[in-house]
Amino acid sequence: SAVISQKPSRDICQRGTSLTIQCQVDSQVTMMFWYRQQPGQSLTLIATANQGSEATYESGFVIDKFPISRPNLTFSTLTVSNMSPEDSSIYLCSVGRGILNNEQFFGPGTRLTVL
Amino acid sequence: KNQVEQSPQSLIILEGKNCTLQCNYTVSPFSNLRWYKQDTGRGPVSLTIMTFSENTKSNGRYTATLDADTKQSSLHITASQLSDSASYICVVTPLASGNTGKLIFGQGTTLQVKP
Repeated sequence: SAVISQKPSRDICQRGTSLTIQCQVDSQVTMMFWYRQQPGQSLTLIATANQGSEATYESGFVIDKFPISRPNLTFSTLTVSNMSPEDSSIYLCSVGRGILNNEQFFGPGTRLTVL
Repeated sequence: KNQVEQSPQSLIILEGKNCTLQCNYTVSPFSNLRWYKQDTGRGPVSLTIMTFSENTKSNGRYTATLDADTKQSSLHITASQLSDSASYICVVTPLASGNTGKLIFGQGTTLQVKP
């Protein structure tokens, strides 16, 4: 398993501002993932973050809006830029384990409200 | 298109009763199917994981079944407790995901256990 922490756990932000969410893992992992979970919905993958390379974004998500850093094998950040109320969601990071990285362990999530 | 559909969308049961949640998927071939429990305000936690060749997997009061022929899975909860109140998410890993770690999420079933 993996122990994953996220900061902040929740925040209320003003429209037009940016928020950076941190994800810390207790052991080195190759792949980290960032998800968005809108109210009442399931998880949607934003991007995959590998250490030493640019993040790979899913359709509908762009680097300018959701820049990601992955400076080492235990840490990643996701920034939600120029926020609008539609960005109000829970943002979760996860790490891949197993031979095919398909065993994923999730962080506790960051609940973001944009006014 | 790979899909994972869950039913019912929501469910209310009395404490001590049993219940069964359903998951139908079109993902094929797949490497594994997993049930996650997500408490409100928390990240998903894995309950069971089954490969395509497994039929059943138990974790305490949780028992998952898999019928690869009909592409159906179920999660049975025995002697429900108030702490079982959560969302339950069915997640399938397509074999085509390779080592990308990409998952297909169901929309979840919200279970409420009442005293």
